Amino acid sequence: DAKTTQPNSMESNEEEPVHLPCNHSTISGTDYIHWYRQLPSQGPEYVIHGLTSNVNNRMASLAIAEDRKSSTLILHRATLRDAAVYYCILREVSGGSNYKLTFGKGTLLTVNP
Amino acid sequence: DSGVTQTPKHLITATGQRVTLRCSPRSGDLSVYWYQQSLDQGLQFLIQYYNGEERAKGNILERFSAQQFPDLHSELNLSSLELGDSALYFCASSVAERASYNEQFFGPGTRLTVL
Repeated sequence: DAKTTQPNSMESNEEEPVHLPCNHSTISGTDYIHWYRQLPSQGPEYVIHGLTSNVNNRMASLAIAEDRKSSTLILHRATLRDAAVYYCILREVSGGSNYKLTFGKGTLLTVNP
Repeated sequence: DSGVTQTPKHLITATGQRVTLRCSPRSGDLSVYWYQQSLDQGLQFLIQYYNGEERAKGNILERFSAQQFPDLHSELNLSSLELGDSALYFCASSVAERASYNEQFFGPGTRLTVL
């Protein structure tokens, strides 16, 4: 299984940008990079995903390295509501049309007021 | 609110027992996924169904089984329960079986406590 490596925790100040790194050195050509976050006492929530090009949506931006062995989730202005565990996940294709998401430990983001 | 519902919210039972967790996906979603989240193992993918058929299997124990019914709701059956089965069980749904865009919508979870 392709794996991801993330820092256990990060801290940020409110209103400042946050860059959450993820290493996935064994990524294959067909693996999509997904980011989810889990707020306290809630189920995970989709944030963003990409394959090769950088991606932007209303929640965040995803910067993918040229060799695809790493990526960075960028929150442009952190708010207290962004405090959560952020998961970087590879959507692996296995067995033909099957696929799965393998969650790691994630990064616990603390946002200071 | 993701649109995915799970019942019950909490479940307390004893070792050796059998329980059934229920999930209703978002309207229009054909895929249902089950995950287990425990303190020591994190969030683990268990199994996926698409339109009634099993599509992918993760770290699901033989004591656990799932199915998806014609109305697309899904049930996860856990039997011969052990203390270590105590965890949060999440259900998620998505539109497609296999697509480049696969946003999964997670339910609020069922907290299972085995005493």
